[in-house]
Amino acid sequence: AQSVTQLDSQVPVFEEAPVELRCNYSSSVSVYLFWYVQYPNQGLQLLLKYLSGSTLVKGINGFEAEFNKSQTSFHLRKPSVHISDTAEYFCAVSSGSARQLTFGSGTQLTVLP
Amino acid sequence: DGGITQSPKYLFRKEGQNVTLSCEQNLNHDAMYWYRQDPGQGLRLIYYSQIVNDFQKGDIAEGYSVSREKKESFPLTVTSAQKNPTAFYLCASSLESLTVEQFFGPGTRLTVL
Repeated sequence: AQSVTQLDSQVPVFEEAPVELRCNYSSSVSVYLFWYVQYPNQGLQLLLKYLSGSTLVKGINGFEAEFNKSQTSFHLRKPSVHISDTAEYFCAVSSGSARQLTFGSGTQLTVLP
Repeated sequence: DGGITQSPKYLFRKEGQNVTLSCEQNLNHDAMYWYRQDPGQGLRLIYYSQIVNDFQKGDIAEGYSVSREKKESFPLTVTSAQKNPTAFYLCASSLESLTVEQFFGPGTRLTVL
């Protein structure tokens, strides 16, 4: 079975500060990893994905994530956040053993002026 | 423009009534999904369909039903057997592959009075 743990339910940060949203997964087979963003009362939008190759993945809106197989992590980072980055962020995993995405419980990022 | 539409955006129903949520996509995707979102719980899979006239239960299928008569459409019925139906419902679609992102609709917020 696959699972995803997002360690922080809420992350407040000041504008222009760096941020890291943590994600750990468990799966017994090779995985594909995703980060999605959700603005209030909207659907989810893909930020970035890791399928294979380079462990550092760059996405939209200046976000990046690093796949760490030994620590089973896929943390999301941004060097300088903006007010407009305030949203909920979801980490998700899919693997060969389950033909579906499993989502974490989400991290609410709030950027303060 | 290609995308996924869900209607209505807000839906109110009396307890004990069945209600059907619409999901349509014009992305020519084979796979479609229904998720339920509750605060602090992330997204939970209700049903998914990988091909027309076929669908599988997800993690929380009890009290829900679906049909997939056309590739473009995947309606979800919330029945009176669903004990706590008030939630935000998201529909998604993807090419039939684990490595490809899911595209999400804008969601329907269902409130049962």
